[in-house]
Amino acid sequence: GAGVSQSPSNKVTEKGKDVELRCDPISGHTALYWYRQSLGQGLEFLIYFQGNSAPDKSGLPSDRFSAERTGGSVSTLTIQRTQQEDSAVYLCASSLGGNGNTIYFGEGSWLTVV
Amino acid sequence: QKEVEQDPGPLSVPEGAIVSLNCTYSNSAFQYFMWYRQYSRKGPELLMYTYSSGNKEDGRFTAQVDKSSKYISLFIRDSQPSDSATYLCATPFSGGYNKLIFGAGTRLAVHP
Repeated sequence: GAGVSQSPSNKVTEKGKDVELRCDPISGHTALYWYRQSLGQGLEFLIYFQGNSAPDKSGLPSDRFSAERTGGSVSTLTIQRTQQEDSAVYLCASSLGGNGNTIYFGEGSWLTVV
Repeated sequence: QKEVEQDPGPLSVPEGAIVSLNCTYSNSAFQYFMWYRQYSRKGPELLMYTYSSGNKEDGRFTAQVDKSSKYISLFIRDSQPSDSATYLCATPFSGGYNKLIFGAGTRLAVHP
């Protein structure tokens, strides 16, 4: 499809393990975002990539979280040494540019840490 | 205090009812407001956005901003079962549109 694609859709992992979540943005979109949505909570901004600029990592909750974007397209969000409080839906989004452009979300990766 | 507050509901209404969804915000510098709709196990999709005080209408949906009271509303007329979803208000962090602050979302159920 032409939308934002995320994988895996669902992931159950044991506490202490590392996980990688992948996002494939809409073709041609230069801006890419990661948000986290915990049960009953609104979306929480994590990180923002825009073209070749340094990413805005101001929303990452701890140094266990990191993200990269290769070739200005696909992005991977990595959570090291997962904790139970990391259980959430991780949503990726992309937009044509930065300011003022509509953000399109993927369906999310549902992470459960047991 | 959260920067954007939203009653999580759930809100249950009969088909055809007028629905009012509301958010309050704390920072008077916020100028740009959005409403997203999120169906179960889907990503949010942009429904409407407003830049200034007043009303903006799109079909059965009306977005309203009252900057004096820091209050934003979304009205749905002639609500349909297909409107059943979670509605999230959002505003960009001050200084840029790249990052959004979301309310917790209000879950709406429209029953036939």
